[in-house]
Amino acid sequence: EPEVTQTPSHQVTQMGQEVILRCVPISNHLYFYWYRQILGQKVEFLVSFYNNEISEKSEIFDDQFSVERPDGSNFTLKIRSTKLEDSAMYFCASKGATDTQYFGPGTRLTVL
Amino acid sequence: QKEVEQDPGPLSVPEGAIVSLNCTYSNSAFQYFMWYRQYSRKGPELLMYTYSSGNKEDGRFTAQVDKSSKYISLFIRDSQPSDSATYLCAPGGIYNQGGKLIFGQGTELSVKP
Repeated sequence: EPEVTQTPSHQVTQMGQEVILRCVPISNHLYFYWYRQILGQKVEFLVSFYNNEISEKSEIFDDQFSVERPDGSNFTLKIRSTKLEDSAMYFCASKGATDTQYFGPGTRLTVL
Repeated sequence: QKEVEQDPGPLSVPEGAIVSLNCTYSNSAFQYFMWYRQYSRKGPELLMYTYSSGNKEDGRFTAQVDKSSKYISLFIRDSQPSDSATYLCAPGGIYNQGGKLIFGQGTELSVKP
C-alpha cells in the first residue's frame, strides 16, 4: 500500500540554524500539507501546497518557514532560523482525488 | 470558542466495552469530518470520514455527524486492547482554504484486557 515517508525521523539542531525536513508524498497525489504537533498539544495546520504554490497557510507559517517541491517526488519544509519553540513533531500529508489526507510518520525536531 | 473541541480524557474501558468519543465544532462551513487514530509518537492514521449528517459504519467503528448541533461522534464496538491510542477528530473542507484539517485535542483511550 502506498504511504507517505519522511526523513529524518529525528533532527537535533542548534537555535538559529536552518533545517530542512523532507517528505515523499504518495506518488499520484497532487495536494501536499505540513502540520506540526508540539508535545502534549493538538496537531496544527501549517501550510497547504498545490500546483507548485501555497494555497493556504496558518499564522504559525511566518517568513521563517518555506516549502518547496524541488522535483517530482519530494516536498520539503525549511525553517530558516530555528527557535526553541519550533521543537515539535512535523507531519507531512498528501491528498489525491478524494478529500482524505494521508499522513507520514513525522519528523521529531529538537531545537537546543 | 475553539473551532474544534474534544475531551482529552484519558478514557479507560474494559475489553469488549462500547466506546463513545465526541467532538464539537463551531464553524458550520466544514464539509467533511475525519477521524484519525494516533499511537504515541506516530503519524495520524485515517480511520473514517463522513460528509453529511447521519451514520457511517465500518466494521466495529461507526462515525456519526449531527450538523444541526455541530456534534461529531465515533463509536467503537467490542473494543480491543489494540484500540488503545489517541483518537483525533478533524473537520475540514472549508471552501478556498486549501483542504486544511482542523484537529481536536484528541481523546486518549486505554482498553484494559
